[in-house]
Amino acid sequence: AQSVAQPEDQVNVAEGNPLTVKCTYSVSGNPYLFWYVQYPNRGLQFLLKYITGDNLVKGSYGFEAEFNKSQTSFHLKKPSALVSDSALYFCAVSPTAGGFKTIFGAGTRLFVKA
Amino acid sequence: EAGVAQSPRYKIIEKRQSVAFWCNPISGHATLYWYQQILGQGPKLLIQFQNNGVVDDSQLPKDRFSAERLKGVDSTLKIQPAKLEDSAVYLCASSAIRGDRGYEQYFGPGTRLTVT
Repeated sequence: AQSVAQPEDQVNVAEGNPLTVKCTYSVSGNPYLFWYVQYPNRGLQFLLKYITGDNLVKGSYGFEAEFNKSQTSFHLKKPSALVSDSALYFCAVSPTAGGFKTIFGAGTRLFVKA
Repeated sequence: EAGVAQSPRYKIIEKRQSVAFWCNPISGHATLYWYQQILGQGPKLLIQFQNNGVVDDSQLPKDRFSAERLKGVDSTLKIQPAKLEDSAVYLCASSAIRGDRGYEQYFGPGTRLTVT
């Protein structure tokens, strides 16, 4: 079965430190990969995507993500965390086969402490 | 540009009652999605439209849920009759390129449904 895993329910980091939010996937073919963020009382917002090409993709608010095909991972990173980055982050995958259905992970709550 | 609009924002109903949610996507977006997000979980796709045709409804509980997208623009999701386990946030999203998996989705604020 095709799936997306976010192994950490919560990630805690101090402001100014680098952050990583992990995502691994199990889908057929060459999937398209996305990160979305959900701030309190706001809807899901697109952060970045990997389609093809350079394994390191850059997105909104200084976030970037690294695609690793051999490890089937797409970890979200930021060099220096801000308190305002505290939110719920979702990894999503759109498989090559089986139609266009996007599969979301369960989400990781990021808490950045001042 | 205006975002995805949804209404109502909140709804409380008793089990076995019916309820309907409305979504207006971003202008020009051909693809529209309805997701169910249960507390503590990621969004689960219920149905995906391309213009006014259904692309995927494999996870839609068709005995109680129905959806339509008239004229390829607005969409309505209905639950009849509701069960306690339908309590969730119902998200509507749209994306720009018809049928292309690579284009990001834009989400509305969601409708929080509580079934008592």
